[in-house]
Amino acid sequence: AQSVTQPDIHITVSEGASLELRCNYSYGATPYLFWYVQSPGQGLQLLLKYFSGDTLVQGIKGFEAEFKRSQSSFNLRKPSVHWSDAAEYFCAVGVRDSSYKLIFGSGTRLLVRP
Amino acid sequence: SQTIHQWPATLVQPVGSPLSLECTVEGTSNPNLYWYRQAAGRGLQLLFYSVGIGQISSEVPQNLSASRPQDRQFILSSKKLLLSDSGFYLCAGTRPGVYNSPLHFGNGTRLTVT
Repeated sequence: AQSVTQPDIHITVSEGASLELRCNYSYGATPYLFWYVQSPGQGLQLLLKYFSGDTLVQGIKGFEAEFKRSQSSFNLRKPSVHWSDAAEYFCAVGVRDSSYKLIFGSGTRLLVRP
Repeated sequence: SQTIHQWPATLVQPVGSPLSLECTVEGTSNPNLYWYRQAAGRGLQLLFYSVGIGQISSEVPQNLSASRPQDRQFILSSKKLLLSDSGFYLCAGTRPGVYNSPLHFGNGTRLTVT
């Protein structure tokens, strides 16, 4: 069955430090992968997506993610975190069967220390 | 681009009362539409999706139902709410027939069942 695992429920980093949020997926076909960010009480905003080609994808707000097929991973990174990055981050895989839907991980809450 | 409208933003309902949450879409004809529920620490759970008027697929057995009376309208309902129906409900949409499209989300409805 298709699934997405985000092993870290919470992560705390200092402002200016680098960040890596982990994501592992399980899907039998070529995955379409996404990272979303959610501010408190809000909907989800797309950060970046991977379909094919270059395995390092750039997104908005200075984020990037690297697709590693051998590890079934799609980790999100940012070289220098800003206080405004504090939010919840969700990884998702696009599943194609009779239709199309996104399966989400359980999320990682990022806290930023001043 | 696609815009998802949801209302109300917050709702407090007693156990046993009915529910109707509405979602409308701008910018795309015949979109694929989705209802997700977000419970604390459990990520986003797909409840229903629809590929067209009157076409509803249910992902999990539950106390809720969905309907799509018009192309750009998606409604989440319940005849009698349970305490366990509390959560944050998100409507999302994507372009039809494009199997690598990201989902666009509304701002969500916070439902508290008392």
